Amino acid sequence: ETGVTQTPRHLVMGMTNKKSLKCEQHLGHNAMYWYKQSAKKPLELMFVYSLEERVENNSVPSRFSPECPNSSHLFLHLHTLQPEDSALYLCASSQDAGAPREKLFFGSGTQLSVL
Amino acid sequence: GQNIDQPTEMTATEGAIVQINCTYQTSGFNGLFWYQQHAGEAPTFLSYNVLDGLEEKGRFSSFLSRSKGYSYLLLKELQMKDSASYLCAVRDLGNRDDKIIFGKGTRLHILP
Repeated sequence: ETGVTQTPRHLVMGMTNKKSLKCEQHLGHNAMYWYKQSAKKPLELMFVYSLEERVENNSVPSRFSPECPNSSHLFLHLHTLQPEDSALYLCASSQDAGAPREKLFFGSGTQLSVL
Repeated sequence: GQNIDQPTEMTATEGAIVQINCTYQTSGFNGLFWYQQHAGEAPTFLSYNVLDGLEEKGRFSSFLSRSKGYSYLLLKELQMKDSASYLCAVRDLGNRDDKIIFGKGTRLHILP
């Protein structure tokens, strides 16, 4: 248990569906992140929130829409996804977004399959 | 550009020693991390190096040479539970602020 909880663990959706991924951290951290992990590719940073404000948006398609209502919760809203969006989506948190030594605490991820 | 290279897969024997190498090319450098990720689980932090040299933590050690853009993770007295992917990540000082860039990971198989 890393203190970062993601739900659901697995999700299968059609290309016309709308779904949301949820992340909750119990560590009192100020920064939260969404990463995408595809097979045989590096972890890709998607979004960074610091104190509920989005500070990074890594050229992610608009079919992915993040929401950070407070420093403990992070959502990723999905709509009209493509099959190539199938991947493991990891949420992470850290005490602060910019401090050099800051390590990331990851959730177990949501394994997403788009049919 | 940004590039982090590490071997895709390695195999070692229980009780032995294995070294996982990582080379990086980034526009800036503000530290290097190693993470361990078991299949189906969250990556977990192993080590952080920002100065040249060796950092030892129990059975795991991590080495950094900034001039060579090189790091390695050394695992001693290997156990079956060490079978996992090992992710090398560099905190790159970009144009606006820094971000952590990950390699593809090295999948380590431990044989009995």
